[in-house]
Amino acid sequence: AQTVTQSQPEMSVQEAETVTLSCTYDTSESDYYLFWYKQPPSRQMILVIRQEAYKQQNATENRFSVNFQKAAKSFSLKISDSQLGDAAMYFCAYRSADRGSTLGRLYFGRGTQLTVWP
Amino acid sequence: DTGVSQDPRHKITKRGQNVTFRCDPISEHNRLYWYRQTLGQGPEFLTYFQNEAQLEKSRLLSDRFSAERPKGSFSTLEIQRTEQGDSAMYLCASSLAIRGTEAFFGQGTRLTVV
Repeated sequence: AQTVTQSQPEMSVQEAETVTLSCTYDTSESDYYLFWYKQPPSRQMILVIRQEAYKQQNATENRFSVNFQKAAKSFSLKISDSQLGDAAMYFCAYRSADRGSTLGRLYFGRGTQLTVWP
Repeated sequence: DTGVSQDPRHKITKRGQNVTFRCDPISEHNRLYWYRQTLGQGPEFLTYFQNEAQLEKSRLLSDRFSAERPKGSFSTLEIQRTEQGDSAMYLCASSLAIRGTEAFFGQGTRLTVV
């Protein structure tokens, strides 16, 4: 089974600074998707950014970007110009693109709690 | 459409009681997932439906758990004879059955078994 590891239970950053959250994963598949989800306290989980494994170019969404290293099975999230509203639990997630698997099932890491200081 | 809706948001129940949660997915989404999230952990997959068919169940889903999705619309998750270990956040998500599309999550139902 696929596993996702987030080695940083907590991270903090000063407002307007940059922070990087780490994620590694284990899979024998070659075609898959990786996601970062944000879960604010008592709020629903929302998608921050998505990366398709067959694309070499790193995904970017405004202040959020990823560093996808397929050979190293690493998928880190960089948040630039951090804002107070970025404070949340961040989850890295893996999804297979293999038609023989449970399509759409997500495998999550344990999360990284991000604190943003004013 | 207001997104994925879950009801109730919070449920406190006594050990041994049965509870039922409801999830209303985004209307055009034919895939629906249930996940369980305990404190300090990421969500763990429980089961998934494509339309009304339940296509996979996790080993986490013991015989006390049952899920349905009649007519491929809303879904219910029932837990019978609740145990303290069932205390968790139960998340529902839905998506289209198209490669690469994202799953949208509801706000979850927080279950506390006392």
